[in-house]
Amino acid sequence: DSGVTQTPKHLITATGQRVTLRCSPRSGDLSVYWYQQSLDQGLQFLIQYYNGEERAKGNILERFSAQQFPDLHSELNLSSLELGDSALYFCASSADGTGNTIYFGEGSWLTVV
Amino acid sequence: GENVEQHPSTLSVQEGDSAVIKCTYSDSASNYFPWYKQELGKGPQLIIDIRSNVGEKKDQRIAVTLNKTAKHFSLHITETQPEDSAVYFCAAAAGGSYIPTFGRGTSLIVHP
Repeated sequence: DSGVTQTPKHLITATGQRVTLRCSPRSGDLSVYWYQQSLDQGLQFLIQYYNGEERAKGNILERFSAQQFPDLHSELNLSSLELGDSALYFCASSADGTGNTIYFGEGSWLTVV
Repeated sequence: GENVEQHPSTLSVQEGDSAVIKCTYSDSASNYFPWYKQELGKGPQLIIDIRSNVGEKKDQRIAVTLNKTAKHFSLHITETQPEDSAVYFCAAAAGGSYIPTFGRGTSLIVHP
């Protein structure tokens, strides 16, 4: 158990809908990362937050957004969902985002039908 | 940005054999190279990492080597066991952001 908690574990929704994925980082970790894992694209970095502020952006679509709250938990919002958004979404955390170990959660499996 | 190539995509070995997974990276600024193991239904778990001021690092049956000149690094697993069966990912990250860019993964199958 990495200490990173993600909910929900599985989610099935229809095209056009909006979902929110939730992440609680390891106790004491200030930095949160979101990754998308799909068969054709591998593990793709989406976005990083540090202590409530956006620190880096990767291949995140405009339909997706994220935030990190004062209690350090983070949410990834996915809207206007398309079939191609079906993937495993991982949240990860690290102490301060400066080269410390990044710990991954177990992922949220999203299926868009 | 960084591009990480990983080979092979699938590796099948007999229990007790060694396994080697190779990765190359493109960004000469990368200086942190973690390796992750992902078991079915779980998130990636760090198994070993190496930084650019070190050429080799060992942890029991696992070792990682780094050649900064050639921009490649490798994972070596000796005396493989069935529980080593999983998908292994290499990654590279540059100082400053330390955001790993991952390879496409290697599915390691260890036959008893």
